[in-house]
Amino acid sequence: AQKVTQAQTEISVVEKEDVTLDCVYETRDTTYYLFWYKQPPSGELVFLIRRNSFDEQNEISGRYSWNFQKSTSSFNFTITASQVVDSAVYFCALSEAGGNNNDMRFGAGTRLTVKP
Amino acid sequence: EPEVTQTPSHQVTQMGQEVILRCVPISNHLYFYWYRQILGQKVEFLVSFYNNEISEKSEIFDDQFSVERPDGSNFTLKIRSTKLEDSAMYFCASSFPRGAGTDTQYFGPGTRLTVL
Repeated sequence: AQKVTQAQTEISVVEKEDVTLDCVYETRDTTYYLFWYKQPPSGELVFLIRRNSFDEQNEISGRYSWNFQKSTSSFNFTITASQVVDSAVYFCALSEAGGNNNDMRFGAGTRLTVKP
Repeated sequence: EPEVTQTPSHQVTQMGQEVILRCVPISNHLYFYWYRQILGQKVEFLVSFYNNEISEKSEIFDDQFSVERPDGSNFTLKIRSTKLEDSAMYFCASSFPRGAGTDTQYFGPGTRLTVL
């Protein structure tokens, strides 16, 4: 069974600080997909990134970067020079490739508060 | 940019009543999903739908729930006899089938269901 753990329930930082959100996953599949979604106070789920299990290359998109390490089953998310608008709940999610299953399993989320 | 839409944004109903939540997935997507998020908790998978039938469902998706694609654009979630614990945000999502280049699920803005 697939499982996603986000051990940090809440993080609070001051603007311009860097912050890393942790995500650890469990799966028996060799092919799987990892995602990060942002849920701002307005409630919608905003797709941030998708990474498949064959691609361990880290990715940077502006102030966002992701560190995927299969050896530790982790897919951590770093925001550099955080801003107040980054305040949101961030969810890590896992989707396994086996069979027809396309469901995603979400972690419990990390609530990030960025203070001015 | 194409997006998933959901109606209504907020639905209030009495316990025991039937509700239908509506979604219009992205037009060229073929996989459709429903998720729910009880206030303050994580996003939970309910059901996936492909080729006019349920692909997978979770243990939450019991006989009180049903899904339908009544026409070429809408995708609905029906709760036959609502319970207080059905109060949650319900998200619809859609994606391409795996192997078609991407299976990223794009979420609608959600319908907040309140059962009184």
